[in-house]
Amino acid sequence: ELKVEQNPLFLSMQEGKNYTIYCNYSTTSDRLYWYRQDPGKSLESLFVLLSNGAVKQEGRLMASLDTKARLSTLHITAAVHDLSATYFCAGPTYGGATNKLIFGTGTLLAVQP
Amino acid sequence: GAGVSQTPSNKVTEKGKYVELRCDPISGHTALYWYRQSLGQGPEFLIYFQGTGAADDSGLPNDRFFAVRPEGSVSTLKIQRTERGDSAVYLCASSLGHGNTIYFGEGSWLTVV
Repeated sequence: ELKVEQNPLFLSMQEGKNYTIYCNYSTTSDRLYWYRQDPGKSLESLFVLLSNGAVKQEGRLMASLDTKARLSTLHITAAVHDLSATYFCAGPTYGGATNKLIFGTGTLLAVQP
Repeated sequence: GAGVSQTPSNKVTEKGKYVELRCDPISGHTALYWYRQSLGQGPEFLIYFQGTGAADDSGLPNDRFFAVRPEGSVSTLKIQRTERGDSAVYLCASSLGHGNTIYFGEGSWLTVV
């Protein structure tokens, strides 16, 4: 079954800096999801990456997918405090009728002023 | 409705009691998922419905857990003889189907004392 690993698990960064969160997955997958979760809240969908080489951007966040390397990245540009949250990547597992997501352990991002 | 709705938002129950958690998906979404999230962890898949049928229930931890979706819309997750280890946030999600964004509800926080 698909395994999803994220690193780093915790990231403390200063406002204005750039950084990248990495998501590696173990088996072939044609898409990758990124979610954001604020403390005590549910998951907010950020990106759905549907093909190799896909790149999507929303504000200061940019996500990309390399299916050959089984790697997705979430790049943060000029971080601001409002981006502080936990970020999860997730990949789908197929087989038969299933369509379930396997989540990584999450990256807790703390942006310091 | 505008989003995935879950009730109750919080439930405290005694060990050994029976609990039902309800999920009302986004109107028109045929796919419905239940996940469980423990503190500091990523969501863990429980069960996936396509229409009325459970297409994949491989994540249900044991036979104390059961879920139904009799009319292909609202779903109920049922937990019998609750144990303290069942304490977690139970998240429901829905989507239009394969390859589409999966939207999560706010979750039902279950505490077994």
